[in-house]
Amino acid sequence: DAGVTQSPTHLIKTRGQHVTLRCSPISGHKSVSWYQQVLGQGPQFIFQYYEKEERGRGNFPDRFSARQFPNYSSELNVNALLLGDSALYLCASSPGTGSRGEKLFFGSGTQLSVL
Amino acid sequence: GQQLNQSPQSMFIQEGEDVSMNCTSSSIFNTWLWYKQDPGEGPVLLIALYKAGELTSNGRLTAQFGITRKDSFLNISASIPSDVGIYFCAGRLGNNAGGTSYGKLTFGQGTILTVHP
Repeated sequence: DAGVTQSPTHLIKTRGQHVTLRCSPISGHKSVSWYQQVLGQGPQFIFQYYEKEERGRGNFPDRFSARQFPNYSSELNVNALLLGDSALYLCASSPGTGSRGEKLFFGSGTQLSVL
Repeated sequence: GQQLNQSPQSMFIQEGEDVSMNCTSSSIFNTWLWYKQDPGEGPVLLIALYKAGELTSNGRLTAQFGITRKDSFLNISASIPSDVGIYFCAGRLGNNAGGTSYGKLTFGQGTILTVHP
């Protein structure tokens, strides 16, 4: 079975541009979460989506937005890119039952470089 | 916001040695998880802990959920070269779909493990 897939794997943008990152969750998983990982740090929570609704948002500016589609895949959009947005963007999927045993499974990420 | 302090930041050990790392929080968590991340990859779940005092093993890995619910520990016994990587602890506050986001994990800064053959 396929795990969490993210595209593209690498991306180079310039300041001020816009970027869209994509994620396909594990088959059967209904929840997708997005994380930003800056080099040398642990991942930071950005968003969680479940059944196409936003269920949680981290401390990120409004330049960051996301959505989830009927097939449970998701997009993360970042507008007006800044140099500090350079990071590994991770997508994690989970069944979405909200049970105590909910486990998050991560994709390999999209490495975004902003020049 | 919640912060997790993970220590040590890095470890250099000889193959065969045991490893211990820990994570402490200023807040109480309902779930603790330990992940390993290799270069260029996403974190891979190693162990999940769900109640205070719980001790769980996964092969040579053993993790414990602290009694105070503010800390967790990971031990690796008889290390091997493939144990090399970055180990992250992560805590989750919520455990229900209607309330706090259960997709939100708070991660520590990571422990970089190097194993010399």
